[in-house]
Amino acid sequence: AQTVTQSQPEMSVQEAETVTLSCTYDTSESDYYLFWYKQPPSRQMILVIRQEAYKQQNATENRFSVNFQKAAKSFSLKISDSQLGDAAMYFCAYGGGATNKLIFGTGTLLAVQP
Amino acid sequence: KAGVTQTPRYLIKTRGQQVTLSCSPISGHRSVSWYQQTPGQGLQFLFEYFSETQRNKGNFPGRFSGRQFSNSRSEMNVSTLELGDSALYLCASSPGTAAYEQYFGPGTRLTVT
Repeated sequence: AQTVTQSQPEMSVQEAETVTLSCTYDTSESDYYLFWYKQPPSRQMILVIRQEAYKQQNATENRFSVNFQKAAKSFSLKISDSQLGDAAMYFCAYGGGATNKLIFGTGTLLAVQP
Repeated sequence: KAGVTQTPRYLIKTRGQQVTLSCSPISGHRSVSWYQQTPGQGLQFLFEYFSETQRNKGNFPGRFSGRQFSNSRSEMNVSTLELGDSALYLCASSPGTAAYEQYFGPGTRLTVT
């Protein structure tokens, strides 16, 4: 069975600084996707970034980028130039290639200090 | 396009009652998945429907059921409510059958007293 592990329950970063959130996963599948979702206090789950396992190039979305290490089964999220609005719970998630089922990690609560 | 909508947003029920939650996906999306989020268990997959058929089911008791209509709207039902069913229930809408693209609704907060 697939598992997703986030080992950092809480993180803190100064505004305008860079922070990296860690995620590891385990799977025997070859076709899959990895995601980072953001859940602010409003509880709306927002997709931050996604990575297709077959792509070697790391995904980037503006200030958000990932470091995808397939062999190590590691998928970290880097947030550059952190903003107050980035404060939220961040979930790493795994999705198989042939199903819409997502497996989520336990989340990392990110605080942004002004 | 309008986003995923869920109704009601908040609900208070008593133990032993049943409840029905509704999810309207993004127009054109044929897949709806449901998740339960609790402080203790985190985010757990309940089930997925695609074109009115249940494609995938999580590890929940039979008290949790769902269905999907021809317009892709989905409902989930929980019978004989227990205190432990208090949670945020999220639905996610997707155009296809792979996890590549999913959009979440705002959730329904269910409180069981």
